[in-house]
Amino acid sequence: IAGITQAPTSQILAAGRRMTLRCTQDMRHNAMYWYRQDLGLGLRLIHYSNTAGTTGKGEVPDGYSVSRANTDDFPLTLASAVPSQTSVYFCASSAWFTSSYNEQFFGPGTRLTVL
Amino acid sequence: LAKTTQPISMDSYEGQEVNITCSHNNIATNDYITWYQQFPSQGPRFIIQGYKTKVTNEVASLFIPADRKSSTLSLPRVSLSDTAVYYCLVGAHNYGQNFVFGPGTRLSVLP
Repeated sequence: IAGITQAPTSQILAAGRRMTLRCTQDMRHNAMYWYRQDLGLGLRLIHYSNTAGTTGKGEVPDGYSVSRANTDDFPLTLASAVPSQTSVYFCASSAWFTSSYNEQFFGPGTRLTVL
Repeated sequence: LAKTTQPISMDSYEGQEVNITCSHNNIATNDYITWYQQFPSQGPRFIIQGYKTKVTNEVASLFIPADRKSSTLSLPRVSLSDTAVYYCLVGAHNYGQNFVFGPGTRLSVLP
């Protein structure tokens, strides 16, 4: 593994189903993030984690939950999917305690369609 | 969170210099200015970051005036492969959750 991986690459999901998007990084970064990007729009932060064991809410957290059991993994769960959660989901990470830059490294994204 | 304003889209021709300006009137004292580039079907990629004056790397330059209420990303001699969306973000550098991605500027480089 090099960088950030996300799974699945794409998924079609029936409304009401539960879904977990997986994200793994091998850079030993402290901080991880989940964003959603709707067609033609910028990214919106869903949840973040500054270090293993802690999480926080971003701009659009409703309907989503996250956990950070270890440094490498940051799964995003949709407990009961709704069509408005159709989007492309990006996971990112950064070395939060870096002295200067806060560059975020992004995964390839998961395209989710909720019908 | 500092709100940013950028042009929605810009067109340019190959070989030209492109300047994209971002306004951030309520930038805070400890905020940094960061630019990302995003190609279709990919996640954003860091381009450059600065706090004041001028920053230059192998890809771009970032110009920040003394009042820091705006910044300009300069791409020298663009090519077709520079066609992408460019995002300006403002926030405290050690708090990633404070960075807000706006709609960005869609740059189209024409032959």
